[in-house]
Amino acid sequence: DADVTQTPRNRITKTGKRIMLECSQTKGHDRMYWYRQDPGLGLRLIYYSFDVKDINKGEISDGYSVSRQAQAKFSLSLESAIPNQTALYFCATGQGNQETQYFGPGTRLLVL
Amino acid sequence: AQSVTQLDSHVSVSEGTPVLLRCNYSSSYSPSLFWYVQHPNKGLQLLLKYTSAATLVKGINGFEAEFKKSETSFHLTKPSAHMSDAAEYFCVVSWNSGNTPLVFGKGTRLSVIA
Repeated sequence: DADVTQTPRNRITKTGKRIMLECSQTKGHDRMYWYRQDPGLGLRLIYYSFDVKDINKGEISDGYSVSRQAQAKFSLSLESAIPNQTALYFCATGQGNQETQYFGPGTRLLVL
Repeated sequence: AQSVTQLDSHVSVSEGTPVLLRCNYSSSYSPSLFWYVQHPNKGLQLLLKYTSAATLVKGINGFEAEFKKSETSFHLTKPSAHMSDAAEYFCVVSWNSGNTPLVFGKGTRLSVIA
């Protein structure tokens, strides 16, 4: 079984809809991250959490919210989706700044 | 501000020839540096990392990178490219002080021509 799983893997939604992307990990890591990837822009950090009671905004948090339901679960919500949120979204886990981050397979989101 | 720059957005090499993917970071105290690879329709996988031990770091699949503090560089190399090396490569930096998250470069797409 994969260490970091994301659901759904693909999603098409309409402008204005609320959607949630979910991430689960079996690595036992405290830190979890949400990134979005756009062509030519690399990965940009949306939100990150160092433990269940700690949530921090990343570089591009506007229009997004997160919930850390447990050490193993970190979900990303788009309250009212807009077309420029069309992107590939990755969840990742890690244990510290010097440690490897482990990435999920990604969720491809299309907002019409 | 902390930053990392990948100097080429796209590199194309012939199979069997050397690969060089360039990365520079903004000057800082004791960074940790990583290279990740992303194959088409896949997540990111760690290739190698530098965390203040040996400056020449060996990774998976024959890749290696050298940390050069004087040049603030961490270029990725491989002596002989294989078709399976075609992918997107990301240089990533972490500053070891505090809890600053990783900073990703914009990526370099490597094409390998038969």
